Amino acid sequence: QVQLVQSGAEVKKPGSSVKVSCKASGGTFSSYAISWVRQAPGQGLEWMGGIIPIFGTSNYAQKFQGRVTITADKSTSTVYMALSSLRSEDTAVYYCARGNGWNDLLDYWGQGILVTVSS
Amino acid sequence: SYELTQPPSVSVSPGQTASITCSGDKLGDKYACWYQQKPGQSPVVVIYRDTNRPSGIPERFSGSNSGNTATLTISGTQAMDEADYYCQAWDRSTAVFGGGTKLTVL
Repeated sequence: QVQLVQSGAEVKKPGSSVKVSCKASGGTFSSYAISWVRQAPGQGLEWMGGIIPIFGTSNYAQKFQGRVTITADKSTSTVYMALSSLRSEDTAVYYCARGNGWNDLLDYWGQGILVTVSS
Repeated sequence: SYELTQPPSVSVSPGQTASITCSGDKLGDKYACWYQQKPGQSPVVVIYRDTNRPSGIPERFSGSNSGNTATLTISGTQAMDEADYYCQAWDRSTAVFGGGTKLTVL
């Protein structure tokens, strides 16, 4: 059974950075795409970008280009998402989700990480 | 950038059919997925590649996609179906979500 287990909640100051993780178990980690999707309080889902670990290539939404970095550690089946220059609008639940490349369903989701940006 | 538009809310009586639409330019040329999200939970895919149901998703969930509109249909809606529903498609290797539709069963 595929599981994506994410790291714990974070509280950050405006202007700082955050790095969160998503550890996969079950299935074949490297050959799937892992996306990051965020959801601000009371708002909808927003795709930030993702990575296919076997290729090590990342793909970012234009909105987050230059501010987000997604990396993978194949040895531990873990994907990381780092977001810099945090502002209050980045307060959200951040989900990782597994997909079959960049054109298919997101079939397994992590439990979500609440990142709070507050002074 | 590509956009998907959903109605903010849909109401349905128990046992009736609910339809939720998702509109986007030439959406029918892409695959549409639908996700169900209940409060405090992670999204769950209920329809993928326009019409396919993952294992474990009840048969009352169905989907279609043609022209500029994808539609999620829930037949014989039950109280447990009350949730937020999001459509999603890929545009040039970027995932795009609709704004979400709150389905109320009353």
